[in-house]
Amino acid sequence: DAGITQSPRHKVTETGTPVTLRCHQTENHRYMYWYRQDPGHGLRLIHYSYGVKDTDKGEVSDGYSVSRSKTEDFLLTLESATSSQTSVYFCAISLAGTDTQYFGPGTRLTVL
Amino acid sequence: QQPVQSPQAVILREGEDAVINCSSSKALYSVHWYRQKHGEAPIFLMILLKGGEQKGHDKISASFNEKKQQSSLYLTASQLSYSGTYFCGTEPTGGAGSYQLTFGKGTKLSVIP
Repeated sequence: DAGITQSPRHKVTETGTPVTLRCHQTENHRYMYWYRQDPGHGLRLIHYSYGVKDTDKGEVSDGYSVSRSKTEDFLLTLESATSSQTSVYFCAISLAGTDTQYFGPGTRLTVL
Repeated sequence: QQPVQSPQAVILREGEDAVINCSSSKALYSVHWYRQKHGEAPIFLMILLKGGEQKGHDKISASFNEKKQQSSLYLTASQLSYSGTYFCGTEPTGGAGSYQLTFGKGTKLSVIP
């Protein structure tokens, strides 16, 4: 357990509404990641962070933005949710000095 | 580019062995293996580094062929608890230290009594 929590765990929203997912960690990890998981696609990287206010895009970043104002929190925002963003979202951290990633419990998002 | 995993799915009886493969088109620095049970988060199993030794614990082990950019996960004498979807995550040589992994689409393993 790498001390990662995600909130909310489940959310149903409507097309066009903004949505923010939160990833919280308690162990001062520098690297944090957001993935989405869809059937047939595996885990795909949306954005990642390598420190406070330091973020970069992953392979499927369109339609998503992130912010990290504190070490412990990494926020993922869907500015205007679309049905194609219905997915399970996982946050992950890397332990210092390694690239091994540990995942949070996930958030199931449904966009109607 | 996503690594390619094979097979996509496999069904085993308890006690049987299985091999799951992960191939990349890029030169690799490391390969990570994860297992995910339905409705849960992926759990880290092991990491193989370029130039490193074959890893393993209990009856699950893995190898890394650097020349072929391939890794294989070996599950021996399978147990019901081995059921789940197995993912490989790869880090290319050029991206070593970037702490970014690219995951395969997964192999669904079902162990039946």
